[in-house]
Amino acid sequence: GAVVSQHPSWVICKSGTSVKIECRSLDFQATTMFWYRQFPKQSLMLMATSNEGSKATYEQGVEKDKFLINHASLTLSTLTVTSAHPEDSSFYICSTKQGGDYNEQFFGPGTRLTVL
Amino acid sequence: AQRVTQPEKLLSVFKGAPVELKCNYSYSGSPELFWYVQYSRQRLQLLLRHISRESIKGFTADLNKGETSFHLKKPFAQEEDSAMYYCALSGPMNYGGSQGNLIFGKGTKLSVKP
Repeated sequence: GAVVSQHPSWVICKSGTSVKIECRSLDFQATTMFWYRQFPKQSLMLMATSNEGSKATYEQGVEKDKFLINHASLTLSTLTVTSAHPEDSSFYICSTKQGGDYNEQFFGPGTRLTVL
Repeated sequence: AQRVTQPEKLLSVFKGAPVELKCNYSYSGSPELFWYVQYSRQRLQLLLRHISRESIKGFTADLNKGETSFHLKKPFAQEEDSAMYYCALSGPMNYGGSQGNLIFGKGTKLSVKP
């Protein structure tokens, strides 16, 4: 299956600063990447779907101006949390999907964001 | 509304005992169902999908459209099965169309005791 990496694996930042999280597809070209958020002991919540070369599609309730997604290449998507606040502290996970008929997603290891 | 329900947060069994992790879904149409597993300190990974009709690591899951269920079963649990299990659904894949978004249940933590 596809290998997905995320960087950084964890980050601590001050309130008001911006943080960028990278998601890379290492062994295949991913036209579609997904960004999830997971609160402690809760399930994954889809935040947005990122398509290479076009604007991301955000789920209802997700602020697109706060969570900026860029998918400029077939192997890299970035999520920037702007003006971070403590309530943005969470585990952010990206995934990619094989093309064609397959709905299987391959997940990155996640990024733990802590906003002080 | 599309929804996946996993009623049990925690399921604890002894090694060798049968295990069933429940999953019910709500979807207006014919979804594709998955079970994902997350072992301690590892990333989420696919365990099985209903269209494959295969057994992975001794686990099976049958899609019951009448009961809108996709329960995960294993006849003899092993300690290494201890993990977090997530049931998920996606809309039917339209070739070149659907983006295949996944909707996850809240997960069930399986603990297999020696």
